[in-house]
Amino acid sequence: EVQLVESGGGLVQPGGSLTLSCAASGLTISGYEMHWVRQAPGKRLDFVSAISGSGDKTYYANPVKGRFTISRDISKNTLYLQMGSVRPEDMAVYYCASARSHSYHYWGQGTLVSVSS
Amino acid sequence: DVVLTQSPLSLPVTLGQPASISCRSSQSLVYRDGNTYLDWFQQRPGQSPRRLIYQISNRDSGVPDRFSGSGSGTDFTLKISRVEAEDVGIYFCLEGTRWTFGQGTKVEIK
Repeated sequence: EVQLVESGGGLVQPGGSLTLSCAASGLTISGYEMHWVRQAPGKRLDFVSAISGSGDKTYYANPVKGRFTISRDISKNTLYLQMGSVRPEDMAVYYCASARSHSYHYWGQGTLVSVSS
Repeated sequence: DVVLTQSPLSLPVTLGQPASISCRSSQSLVYRDGNTYLDWFQQRPGQSPRRLIYQISNRDSGVPDRFSGSGSGTDFTLKISRVEAEDVGIYFCLEGTRWTFGQGTKVEIK
């Protein structure tokens, strides 16, 4: 059974930093493009960032470019999202998802990031 | 940028009755390879999203055949032939080349 388990969410102050993790089991993350997707309260889901299966390409949505960094540790089969210079509009539930053939195959349960001073 | 607009956003349905959700795109979703990567997902309360339909009309393994997808170009539809209690949740469409989502449609039982 495939499981993607996010962790690391919580309360962060504006301008602060936070690192999200997504531990995968039943799936090898190097075999998929791995994505972070978020959903702010009352809003639609939005693509945040992705890393290619080979790990040599990364992609970012414009609102997070230059502030967030996606990475992975193959030995731990874990995906990360380093969030820096966090803004109130970054408050959302963050999901990791595995992608292949232009679709999402598996999703995590999400982790909540709250932004407040 | 591609914008996906779902309607309705809220859909109260009587058990056993059909339901239909529309997903309209601001531009054609036919990709350069000739395929259209328009998927439908279900998110039950408290659960992760689950893909139901991929590339417009292909049902995923284990998905009941009461779910069907159709459409082309800019207009797509998810239909539930007879709504069951377990179908309550939020349904959203996804375009998989730009990774753009619809707003989501909340299906509830009347």
